[in-house]
Amino acid sequence: NAGVTQTPKFQVLKTGQSMTLQCAQDMNHEYMSWYRQDPGMGLRLIHYSVGAGITDQGEVPNGYNVSRSTTEDFPLRLLSAAPSQTSVYFCASSRGTSGGETQYFGPGTRLLVL
Amino acid sequence: KNQVEQSPQSLIILEGKNCTLQCNYTVSPFSNLRWYKQDTGRGPVSLTIMTFSENTKSNGRYTATLDADTKQSSLHITASQLSDSASYICVVIPPAGYQKVTFGTGTKLQVIP
Repeated sequence: NAGVTQTPKFQVLKTGQSMTLQCAQDMNHEYMSWYRQDPGMGLRLIHYSVGAGITDQGEVPNGYNVSRSTTEDFPLRLLSAAPSQTSVYFCASSRGTSGGETQYFGPGTRLLVL
Repeated sequence: KNQVEQSPQSLIILEGKNCTLQCNYTVSPFSNLRWYKQDTGRGPVSLTIMTFSENTKSNGRYTATLDADTKQSSLHITASQLSDSASYICVVIPPAGYQKVTFGTGTKLQVIP
């Protein structure tokens, strides 16, 4: 099993550009989520999905869109990049939403917006 | 607002020594408390999990404790190794699940020879 994979590993954008961060998992997990990690702050939830076709907003959803057309894939779209979106982005998946289920994280995408 | 505070922010210890990392939280009620290890440039990996009714949980050289009355948890690392150098993150999950999770800011541990 590859687990949770993310592409790209690193990306530089100019303000106003758009891009999609890819996330895929091969564990048949229903729950997937996107976090951002900023210096001096804990990971913050951007969007999440409890299954194909179902998505919802987390703590910091502004400026991001998601969709979940398959169980395996959960892409994160930046509509018009801003310097405040410079961060490290992590995708995670788990069998369910309960804290008793282990979340598995991808290796992260480091994004720099100039 | 739910908070999870960790101390110290950073720590340097000699290889072979023990150390204890602290976590204070305000999340209430909660269903699970987890400690994660995050190596530089990698995603977090779960080390231990406790329910609100458990007091201690071990995973090899890692032992987590929980005092639900004082809302404190600690992670004790025994006989540290160079590979223990990483950030350690305390995570509190409420009954609503990961949709309402709160992550701590982490303690960065460096183990030196």
